[in-house]
Amino acid sequence: DTGVSQDPRHKITKRGQNVTFRCDPISEHNRLYWYRQTLGQGPEFLTYFQNEAQLEKSRLLSDRFSAERPKGSFSTLEIQRTEQGDSAMYLCASSPGQGANEQYFGPGTRLTVT
Amino acid sequence: SQQGEEDPQALSIQEGENATMNCSYKTSINNLQWYRQNSGRGLVHLILIRSNEREKHSGRLRVTLDTSKKSSSLLITASRAADTASYFCATDSSEQAGTALIFGKGTTLSVSS
Repeated sequence: DTGVSQDPRHKITKRGQNVTFRCDPISEHNRLYWYRQTLGQGPEFLTYFQNEAQLEKSRLLSDRFSAERPKGSFSTLEIQRTEQGDSAMYLCASSPGQGANEQYFGPGTRLTVT
Repeated sequence: SQQGEEDPQALSIQEGENATMNCSYKTSINNLQWYRQNSGRGLVHLILIRSNEREKHSGRLRVTLDTSKKSSSLLITASRAADTASYFCATDSSEQAGTALIFGKGTTLSVSS
């Protein structure tokens, strides 16, 4: 399967712990995006990479959040000192970076902070 | 912040009927996309319509775009139980093409057999 993959699919953690999620985009897609989705809402943009450069960050991305894409391939999203309000589905998407901005989404990582 | 707003929030129909969902947005766009999301899963891209297009078809899907009214509609014809899902419209800013998509809250479609 050459789609976007995310790991883990589910994560339960206690408040105050750090968590890290991984996203593997579709091969040769230059752009990689992170979104967060809470129950009953549409996805909300968090951050975006063009190759290894992080080009845009949402105000939703507090200083407890950090994302990397070190070699322009996979990406990680880390949340430090998790809070209950961080409970959500974290979605990763990639796009070719050319033409229209069709984004292809992974299955998501569902985070539950207890 | 959410740019688009889908209408209705929920829609229940019988198999074989058509389903129409509407989306309104606020700012100028390059294109508008529709995505489907099955419960608890990732989003599946359905169709993209560019700002200079007015109508587009893909299989049982028909999308219209009215940039003067900043609105779009998604029509699913001859619906099936497998169409049961949430449907989202998403736009990107004409000022920054290729960056963040802004999603609405979605329409939840239930198709019963």
